[in-house]
Amino acid sequence: GDSVTQMEGPVTLSEEAFLTINCTYTATGYPSLFWYVQYPGEGLQLLLKATKADDKGSNKGFEATYRKETTSFHLEKGSVQVSDSAVYFCALIPGSSASKIIFGSGTRLSIRP
Amino acid sequence: NAGVTQTPKFQVLKTGQSMTLQCAQDMNHEYMSWYRQDPGMGLRLIHYSVGAGITDQGEVPNGYNVSRSTTEDFPLRLLSAAPSQTSVYFCASSRSGTSGGANTGELFFGEGSRLTVL
Repeated sequence: GDSVTQMEGPVTLSEEAFLTINCTYTATGYPSLFWYVQYPGEGLQLLLKATKADDKGSNKGFEATYRKETTSFHLEKGSVQVSDSAVYFCALIPGSSASKIIFGSGTRLSIRP
Repeated sequence: NAGVTQTPKFQVLKTGQSMTLQCAQDMNHEYMSWYRQDPGMGLRLIHYSVGAGITDQGEVPNGYNVSRSTTEDFPLRLLSAAPSQTSVYFCASSRSGTSGGANTGELFFGEGSRLTVL
């Protein structure tokens, strides 16, 4: 069935380091892909999305490219800040008529000053 | 701009008790859903609705009921609480997809309701 696999955390980096959080997926058809972020004590917020192969989603310095050939949607940021500390979730919706959004297990990111 | 509002934020129940988690949205979204979040397991879909009067089961529906009498409200009922239902519950809503999809994938989440069952 459809699924999302994320790298396990926690990930701890120093401020201004380069960030990559891996995400791979299994889906039939042509899914849309998403990254959500959850700050402490809050609900999830959409960070970025990509709806077709080779699309690049970007927001707040974060980027992810929809790679159909490798079924991946890795999240990257060139220079992280302490304020980026949060839990990041990769997700997919498996086609235009699907009703269920499937989330990965989440990756906790901690940034040291 | 309230968005998605969940109540209560915290609740402690005894095994066997029943309760309702409330969810309301003011964005006129057709799609609404309930998730539970447990450590190491991400978010799991409990129930969802694609419009007033329509509900369907998600991944983990057992022990929960929902109804959707209005576009704005989507309450989640625990019929007889069990310790396994200790979790953080999130309500989320979305517009309908433009290509006939039930939702766009761009979910708006409430702040969560932390439930403990003793």
